[in-house]
Amino acid sequence: GAVVSQHPSRVICKSGTSVKIECRSLDFQATTMFWYRQFPKQSLMLMATSNEGSKATYEQGVEKDKFLINHASLTLSTLTVTSAHPEDSSFYICSARDRYYEQYFGPGTRLTVT
Amino acid sequence: TQLLEQSPQFLSIQEGENLTVYCNSSSVFSSLQWYRQEPGEGPVLLVTVVTGGEVKKLKRLTFQFGDARKDSSLHITAAQPGDTGLYLCAGAVSGNTPLVFGKGTRLSVIA
Repeated sequence: GAVVSQHPSRVICKSGTSVKIECRSLDFQATTMFWYRQFPKQSLMLMATSNEGSKATYEQGVEKDKFLINHASLTLSTLTVTSAHPEDSSFYICSARDRYYEQYFGPGTRLTVT
Repeated sequence: TQLLEQSPQFLSIQEGENLTVYCNSSSVFSSLQWYRQEPGEGPVLLVTVVTGGEVKKLKRLTFQFGDARKDSSLHITAAQPGDTGLYLCAGAVSGNTPLVFGKGTRLSVIA
């Protein structure tokens, strides 16, 4: 099956700093990638849709200036959490959609802001 | 985003029992997927259903897509402790739209 990687898997940062999370489709090209956020014991909540070469589409309530998304190539999308605060601590998961419209998920990134 | 109602949210059963998880919506989906997620990991795709009335089997797991493509079910036969985990249904209204998830079913199978 298709493989999606995320880096880093865990990150701890201080309040006010920025953190970048990478999402890569390893064996297929993905014109569209998605970023989800998951709180403990809850389901995945879509944050934004990332299209290669264009601006991301953010879901209602997600601050685009805080969660910067860049999709510079067909295999890489990045999510940068700017000026992170403790309430941004969460499990961030990306997914990539293949040409058959199936979505494959990365292993997630655990962000802890202290 | 469309809402997917998943039930039950929690399920604790004994090894060997059967169980069914339901996923319902008022919306029609072009495809519906079932995932399983372990703590601290991303969801792993189990199956995709796209045709109304479709039934797919994966060993002891049986997935069904409703005739109207608004609902789906996951049935596990003779559950084992290794089946323990979070099961998520997710649907896409069309091929261009992102998946939206149900709230998940946390299954615990006790030996």
